[in-house]
Amino acid sequence: SQELEQSPQSLIVQEGKNLTINCTSSKTLYGLYWYKQKYGEGLIFLMMLQKGGEEKSHEKITAKLDEKKQQSSLHITASQPSHAGIYLCGAVHGQNFVFGPGTRLSVLP
Amino acid sequence: DAMVIQNPRYQVTQFGKPVTLSCSQTLNHNVMYWYQQKSSQAPKLLFHYYDKDFNNEADTPDNFQSRRPNTSFCFLDIRSPGLGDAAMYLCATSRGGSGYEQYFGPGTRLTVT
Repeated sequence: SQELEQSPQSLIVQEGKNLTINCTSSKTLYGLYWYKQKYGEGLIFLMMLQKGGEEKSHEKITAKLDEKKQQSSLHITASQPSHAGIYLCGAVHGQNFVFGPGTRLSVLP
Repeated sequence: DAMVIQNPRYQVTQFGKPVTLSCSQTLNHNVMYWYQQKSSQAPKLLFHYYDKDFNNEADTPDNFQSRRPNTSFCFLDIRSPGLGDAAMYLCATSRGGSGYEQYFGPGTRLTVT
């Protein structure tokens, strides 16, 4: 099984709608990273959460870390077509950095 | 702007013909990583260098090698590419080891014919 699970696997929303992507870890989280990847391109760092209960925002994207639940959520408010892409969470597990499988987001104009 | 650069962006090679992918960074970061990402899958770490120390992941095939001649450059060598090695190869850097943000290059898409 995957060390990091993401849900949903894919998401299609109408422009202007809010959405949430979840990332759940099978191991204790000591830090959780969110990245965005456009098709055929590298990963773009969004934000890093290190403490339980931490919440960070960048423009219309907010991420929270629930250490007890070993979970993080990424929330996009008033989505735009520019938000479309694949969102990946990443975390340090032992000495390895692992990624979740990604959530593919499409935003319809 | 400081960045992670990968060349080429697209590489086509023949089955069994050695190929080298290049990564350079202007961030002066200590750590450089190589990931393999196959279609619709998460990136998978192949190996990384912490300064000159090479760290190979246990399940990285012997067919994959890496060189880091200096802080700025890191190369991925595939000695005998197979059809299963076709993938996006991502280079990343970080200031330190685990716990530090990784900065990614745009990737090199490798096609094996």
